Amino acid sequence: RKEVEQDPGPFNVPEGATVAFNCTYSNSASQSFFWYRQDCRKEPKLLMSVYSSGNEDGRFTAQLNRASQYISLLIRDSKLSDSATYLCVVRRRPSLGNEKLTFGTGTRLTIIP
Amino acid sequence: DGGITQSPKYLFRKEGQNVTLSCEQNLNHDAMYWYRQDPGQGLRLIYYSQIVNDFQKGDIAEGYSVSREKKESFPLTVTSAQKNPTAFYLCASGTGGSLNYGYTFGSGTRLTVV
Repeated sequence: RKEVEQDPGPFNVPEGATVAFNCTYSNSASQSFFWYRQDCRKEPKLLMSVYSSGNEDGRFTAQLNRASQYISLLIRDSKLSDSATYLCVVRRRPSLGNEKLTFGTGTRLTIIP
Repeated sequence: DGGITQSPKYLFRKEGQNVTLSCEQNLNHDAMYWYRQDPGQGLRLIYYSQIVNDFQKGDIAEGYSVSREKKESFPLTVTSAQKNPTAFYLCASGTGGSLNYGYTFGSGTRLTVV
């Protein structure tokens, strides 16, 4: 089983709609969680960290469920510019002074005019 | 402006050649990382360094080498021993401190074997 799993999509969503992605992780020792956005042929860019209490940044809401080991990203009022691949990222420290960041393969989102 | 710079953007390598990818950051980050991304796959960790003069193998280190002589620089050499080097290579840096901070990535180097 992969350490981080995402539905690869593609998700084709009309402009203005709400879309949600889930991501599951297998290691219960995972300590912090992120969503990154990656445009075609570009580097990943941090979209938001995911906190235990859930957090919101404008149209984006992230949730964490530690008991079920999944995180989610909700995008409201989607814009054409939201079209990208969204990467789920999980971080843990297997030993002192050592850390491991594991990336999901990404979910591709296309917003349709 | 602070950031992380990778060069070159595109690199072509002949069979049997070693090539070196540059990564420089002026973010004063202690930790630096090299990832490889293949189409349809997630990022895979090649090497990482938490402090100067120290580095550790990641999940796919075979056929690669690194050095960390300066805090700002973490070059990656793709050796002839790497059998399938064509990929998108991404360098990242991080504070290595607070777990709630993500990494900053460079714009990547696309390596193609010709």
